[in-house]
Amino acid sequence: DQQVKQNSPSLSVQEGRISILNCDYTNSMFDYFLWYKKYPAEGPTFLISISSIKDKNEDGRFTVFLNKSAKHLSLHIVPSQPGDSAVYFCAASYSRLTQGGSEKLVFGKGTKLTVNP
Amino acid sequence: NAGVTQTPKFQVLKTGQSMTLQCAQDMNHEYMSWYRQDPGMGLRLIHYSVGAGITDQGEVPNGYNVSRSTTEDFPLRLLSAAPSQTSVYFCASSFRVRRGKLFFGSGTQLSVL
Repeated sequence: DQQVKQNSPSLSVQEGRISILNCDYTNSMFDYFLWYKKYPAEGPTFLISISSIKDKNEDGRFTVFLNKSAKHLSLHIVPSQPGDSAVYFCAASYSRLTQGGSEKLVFGKGTKLTVNP
Repeated sequence: NAGVTQTPKFQVLKTGQSMTLQCAQDMNHEYMSWYRQDPGMGLRLIHYSVGAGITDQGEVPNGYNVSRSTTEDFPLRLLSAAPSQTSVYFCASSFRVRRGKLFFGSGTQLSVL
């Protein structure tokens, strides 16, 4: 059962416009959410995160919104730039109170964003 | 600062062969983990470790072994390679207090024929 879902495999936007990437989750125990960005032949890199006690977090051009009642989060990129073209992974986690509080990070399948000049 | 280093970058194995994927980090991170990425499947957790001597299973642990004898190293062993293990493997690490903010290596592309 897929706990973190990114239903859009790909998204194409024009440079300067807004990119909106969506993510849904099913496990109500998740309390921390992250977005990772991945370029070809590289490992994913952390982009932005949000705790379940917040509904919005901003970092420059990137904003993540969390709607806990809908179990939905989104990543907004404004304005989009060609260098933003990459695969974006949504991820979620919860703390597990065993072995010293270790936690597991669950990833979605990713959305490939293409920003056209 | 090298970060997370994975070796080799590419590997081809025959079914039944064994091998070890190496992962080393120089950031003194307590938490280390292995993920595999398959087309249309995202990243799936294989094994993880919260410190030297402590390991646990992730979502897809079958066919893989890990050990953590030092803080820096977290090798992933394929005991008897199968075509289903053809994938890109990523090692990641973090401080335990920095929730979810993993640093990833550049990956190992493994093909099992």
